[in-house]
Parts: sequence; structure tokens; C-alpha cells
Amino acid sequence: GNSVTQMEGPVTLSEEAFLTINCTYTATGYPSLFWYVQYPGEGLQLLLKATKADDKGSNKGFEATYRKETTSFHLEKGSVQVSDSAVYFCALVRRNAGGTSYGKLTFGQGTILTVHP
Amino acid sequence: ETGVTQTPRHLVMGMTNKKSLKCEQHLGHNAMYWYKQSAKKPLELMFVYNFKEQTENNSVPSRFSPECPNSSHLFLHLHTLQPEDSALYLCASSQDGLDSSYEQYFGPGTRLTVT
Repeated sequence: GNSVTQMEGPVTLSEEAFLTINCTYTATGYPSLFWYVQYPGEGLQLLLKATKADDKGSNKGFEATYRKETTSFHLEKGSVQVSDSAVYFCALVRRNAGGTSYGKLTFGQGTILTVHP
Repeated sequence: ETGVTQTPRHLVMGMTNKKSLKCEQHLGHNAMYWYKQSAKKPLELMFVYNFKEQTENNSVPSRFSPECPNSSHLFLHLHTLQPEDSALYLCASSQDGLDSSYEQYFGPGTRLTVT
């Protein structure tokens, strides 16, 4: 079946530090990959996505590249801010060769990020 | 209102109560979802509806009863809950189709406490 594995947290960084949160996946077919962010007391927000191999998703200074050869989708940001403190979820939707999906997101367990001033 | 809204945002109920959670999406999507998010557990998919038809029930206890009267509204009826059902319940929607990337848009959630 499908699965997503994220690096275990929590991750604690100082402001302006470089961030990497590792994500690897197992899936058949052609999955679409996502990063979601959940700020305290809120629901999940889509941060970025990539739908095919070698695509790079980017948003708000965050980036992730869909690497089919290593089945990875690591999240990076060059300089984190206190406001980036949140829980980050890697997720996939499996698509078959015809492009339809099964409408089900598979999530990683989430990584808590805390950024200190 | 835009996006996905959920009411109430907070709910405290006793084990013998009956209550309902409401979700509404203003995005014109054709699929809606209920998730449960507990402390120290991954997000758990509970139910999936496509075009008002339930297409997924992930072995959810019958004390949770979903209802989808149209593609914009989704309810979760609760009765005889247990304290371990206390969690954040998240609703999401997506537009599924051949050209879709299938990202889901989430509401803010309902924080449920069962006493």
C-alpha cells in the first residue's frame, strides 16, 4: 500500500537558519505529492505540490522537488522565521496511469517545527 | 465565506448526548472528506463522499454517522461517544477528475471534547 515517512521531530531552529524536513514515500503508479502546514489552532493548509517527477513546488520561500529515483520530496527553506513555527505534513495521492485518482490522501505523521528569535 | 468552513469550532459533549458537526465548502468541489486528528497519531481518514455518494468508510464505529445532502455540505452526526473520541475533526474538499492534481482544502476543524 501507500505510505509516507517523515523525519521525526520536533525540529528546533533559530531564526534565519536553513530548514530541511525529509520525506520519503512508497506508492505504485504516479503519485502527486504535497506539503501541508498546520499552524496552532488551525486546520491544514496546502503549502506546495508537485504532480510529476522532477517538478519543483514552491511557495512562501519553501521548496520541494519530486525525486522519483529516490522516492523523496524533502521540504527546504533557506531562512526560517518565527512565523514558520507549525506542524508540517508530507502527503501523497496515488494516481493510476489513466490520470484518475482514488481521492485519498496518505499523510506522514507530521513534523513539529519551532523557530526561536 | 470562502474556502471550507466548519461549525462549531469547539464542542464539549457528554457520552449520552447527540450532536452534529457541519462542514460547508464554497469551492465548487465534488468530493468531501472527514478526518480525525488525535494527539500523537497520524491523521485518520474517516469518510469520503464523491458527488454526494459515500465511497469510503474506514471502519469507523457506528456512533459516527456522516450525511452529505449535496456536494457543498457535509455533516457528522455524533451519538453515544466515548472519551477516546475527543479529537480535532477536520473536513476537507477536493475537485477530482482526469486533469486534477487532487489537492484537498481543509476547514479549520472542530475541537471535540467528550466528558
